[in-house]
Amino acid sequence: EPEVTQTPSHQVTQMGQEVILRCVPISNHLYFYWYRQILGQKVEFLVSFYNNEISEKSEIFDDQFSVERPDGSNFTLKIRSTKLEDSAMYFCASRARQGSNQPQHFGDGTRLSIL
Amino acid sequence: AQSVTQLDSQVPVFEEAPVELRCNYSSSVSVYLFWYVQYPNQGLQLLLKYLSGSTLVKGINGFEAEFNKSQTSFHLRKPSVHISDTAEYFCAVSGWNTDKLIFGTGTRLQVFP
Repeated sequence: EPEVTQTPSHQVTQMGQEVILRCVPISNHLYFYWYRQILGQKVEFLVSFYNNEISEKSEIFDDQFSVERPDGSNFTLKIRSTKLEDSAMYFCASRARQGSNQPQHFGDGTRLSIL
Repeated sequence: AQSVTQLDSQVPVFEEAPVELRCNYSSSVSVYLFWYVQYPNQGLQLLLKYLSGSTLVKGINGFEAEFNKSQTSFHLRKPSVHISDTAEYFCAVSGWNTDKLIFGTGTRLQVFP
């Protein structure tokens, strides 16, 4: 079964540094998402992306965050200047078709640790 | 706006016993409901979904859930659990007017031999 793949599985970064988290969505999917899960807390929506632009974003997704689909396969999340509170598990998801009733398929996540 | 409440943070159960994981939601619009499972060190895997129609939905691994609109609930059940069902279970909701999933805080199911 096709999968969403995320790299790296664990990223350790110094506070203030830029970090890029990478995702390869399922190949025929058109809608892409990032979520995060701070340790011990719920999974939170960050941003959705379709047709090369952001379709929805949360309050968490401030100017420090950006997303990009640089080619036909990758979908990236960049944090410009990381803070300690950015430490979390970041999940990428993708969906095939339009409609919020369609299930999102998740990757295994990237654990981001900010020192 | 939608929200999800999972009242039980942990549910311990013995193998082959039945289990119910509770989920309640609130929304001002029609909702779509999902249960996801997260095994250790893995991502979120879709167990089942309710979109419309029959209120009893069946998913993978023998799980089922019942949508109850009057009680705004979507409880997950399995008649006989296995050790391998030990995982974190998340209830999630989306609405017709939004593309995002709103998750509950999760329930850790621990199955003991």
